[in-house]
Amino acid sequence: LAKTTQPISMDSYEGQEVNITCSHNNIATNDYITWYQQFPSQGPRFIIQGYKTKVTNEVASLFIPADRKSSTLSLPRVSLSDTAVYYCLVGPISSGSARQLTFGSGTQLTVLP
Amino acid sequence: NAGVTQTPKFRILKIGQSMTLQCTQDMNHNYMYWYRQDPGMGLKLIYYSVGAGITDKGEVPNGYNVSRSTTEDFPLRLELAAPSQTSVYFCASSYSRTGASPSSGANVLTFGAGSRLTVL
Repeated sequence: LAKTTQPISMDSYEGQEVNITCSHNNIATNDYITWYQQFPSQGPRFIIQGYKTKVTNEVASLFIPADRKSSTLSLPRVSLSDTAVYYCLVGPISSGSARQLTFGSGTQLTVLP
Repeated sequence: NAGVTQTPKFRILKIGQSMTLQCTQDMNHNYMYWYRQDPGMGLKLIYYSVGAGITDKGEVPNGYNVSRSTTEDFPLRLELAAPSQTSVYFCASSYSRTGASPSSGANVLTFGAGSRLTVL
């Protein structure tokens, strides 16, 4: 299983760009990287998924270097409502991979006014 | 679309009691999962199912049982509840198929709102 390591917590101010890095040194060739956001008392919510280089959607960007041993979730111009725990998951997206969808401890992002 | 629905939202059990947490999804997803989340911790996989009639253990299956008689439903049974099972339980679903690409949404988990269980 590809183990992930993230910072436990990060603070930022409203309007700033936030980058959260996840290390996954033993990522496998068929593994994808997926990020989830979790608010208190709610289930995690999908943010973004990628395999290599850069992926962007309406809420975030995901940067993955060529060696794929780490990835960086970038949140542009955060607001107070972005305060949440962010999880990085690494695993294959094809069938037979359910056991490998394990969550680490995540990164608590606190956005300050 | 209701997505993933879990019941009950809250429950208090006495030690040794049994109960079933219900989970239903209306997205025709083939994969379903049960996770538990202890305070301040990440989610741990209890059991998962890759389709009706097929279930398998995750990281922390002891003290739990599951069944998957239909695509939609994936109940989690707690037998002989113990204080260590006090947690928030999340059910999730996804679809998965061989050769799926990221843009297809494969293996993107959709979670329910959670069930908070306290064992006293």
